[in-house]
Amino acid sequence: DVQLVESGGGLVRPGESLRLSCAASRFTFSDYTMSWVRQAPGKGLEWVSFISSSSDYIYYADSVNGRFTISRDNAETSVYLQMNSLRAEDTALYYCVRGGLGFSYSAFDMWGQGTVVTVSS
Amino acid sequence: DIVMTQSPDSLAVSLGERATINCRSSQSVFSSSNNKNYLAWYQQKPGQPPKLLIHWASTRESGVPDRFSGSGSGSDFTLTITSLQAEDVAVYYCQQYYSSPPWTFGQGTKVELK
Repeated sequence: DVQLVESGGGLVRPGESLRLSCAASRFTFSDYTMSWVRQAPGKGLEWVSFISSSSDYIYYADSVNGRFTISRDNAETSVYLQMNSLRAEDTALYYCVRGGLGFSYSAFDMWGQGTVVTVSS
Repeated sequence: DIVMTQSPDSLAVSLGERATINCRSSQSVFSSSNNKNYLAWYQQKPGQPPKLLIHWASTRESGVPDRFSGSGSGSDFTLTITSLQAEDVAVYYCQQYYSSPPWTFGQGTKVELK
């Protein structure tokens, strides 16, 4: 089965940084777009960031634009989320998700188990 | 941004009965260029990540039971679960992936057993 495994979450203080990683396996990673989606405790789903298969197209939610940076390494079949200037409202379970082919817009057909980020003083 | 609004927020359904969840987008998510509605439905059970059930508004993902069906076009969509099973208890989300991001989700509908 297709697999996405996130790591890198943890407890940090406001203003600090964290880098999330997502290791993909059992599919041709370089063919697919990838995104990060988060879910605050007891809340709904919020799309955070998108990267096309060749990193040509990158998008961010307004809530993280300028603070978060998405990247990918197709040779390592991994996608990353560098999170700077973290705020309490960034506290959430962060999911790595697979989208469509190339740079196409598509539903998210694969989700990792998520990694928890807690921002608290 | 496109706002997705689901109704109801929660519903209780008896085993074997029908559950209907509605989703409305603040603008059309239909593309005339390819005749597709950019609308997906997800199921999230407690402690699990969401699972894609339906995309393009009515296309069931492989392996999803046929008691789940999606319908609608433009701005109004429906997820129907015919003959609810115990394992269908979950929160259901609609999501639009039309045009450039941000892609947005509905607030979720919790389906419980009556």
